[in-house]
Amino acid sequence: QVQLQESGPGLVKPSQTLSLTCTVSGGSITSGSYYWSWIRQPAGEGLEWIGRRYTRGSTDYNPSLKSRVTISVDTSKNQFSLKLSSVTAADTAVYYCARQNCGGDCQLDYWGQGTLVTVSS
Amino acid sequence: QSVLTQPPSVSGAPGQRVTISCTGSSSNIGANYDVHWYQQLPGTAPKLLIFGNNNRPSGVPDRFSGSKSGTSASLAITGLQAEDEANYYCHSYDTSLSVWVFGGGTKLTVL
Repeated sequence: QVQLQESGPGLVKPSQTLSLTCTVSGGSITSGSYYWSWIRQPAGEGLEWIGRRYTRGSTDYNPSLKSRVTISVDTSKNQFSLKLSSVTAADTAVYYCARQNCGGDCQLDYWGQGTLVTVSS
Repeated sequence: QSVLTQPPSVSGAPGQRVTISCTGSSSNIGANYDVHWYQQLPGTAPKLLIFGNNNRPSGVPDRFSGSKSGTSASLAITGLQAEDEANYYCHSYDTSLSVWVFGGGTKLTVL
């Protein structure tokens, strides 16, 4: 059974860079037609897709965040990471990592439990 | 404002049937992109409920079903149970915006 777990600071200062890591267990991050994705959810609001990375290199980002986002993969650790620069209070949200299965219909079939990141001085 | 429009809330009594709509456009659902549905119980991560418009992952009861027609999709829940009380989100791709999009979410209340 594939499991994903987010980790990283819960508090980030404005203008700094938010950094989160997602550790994948129960399967190799390099196998299959999977995109490793980040989604966020401000308190009381809906889901927003941030971006995704295919293990073999390609990345796609939400155009509204593209200038500030980097998603990378560390195959040696079976992890992938999110960096979001120049954060403001508007970036305060629960951040989820997820696997997008494009060997199927590109559904998000496994999710992490989520981690709350607060942007505040 | 999401490009996939869902009703903010729906409700039903135990045992009843409810449907949740997801209305898109010719650049997403109408462009033949698949629709997926997720259930988010209070305080938890979303869980895949329906994929590829009308397929259930293993373990999802057959009380849940999905359909798609034209520029819209629907999630139907029959035999409503108290444990179904949650937020439900539709999900697809928008080719004009080049972004994976979610509906705004629908809160299901079991009366």
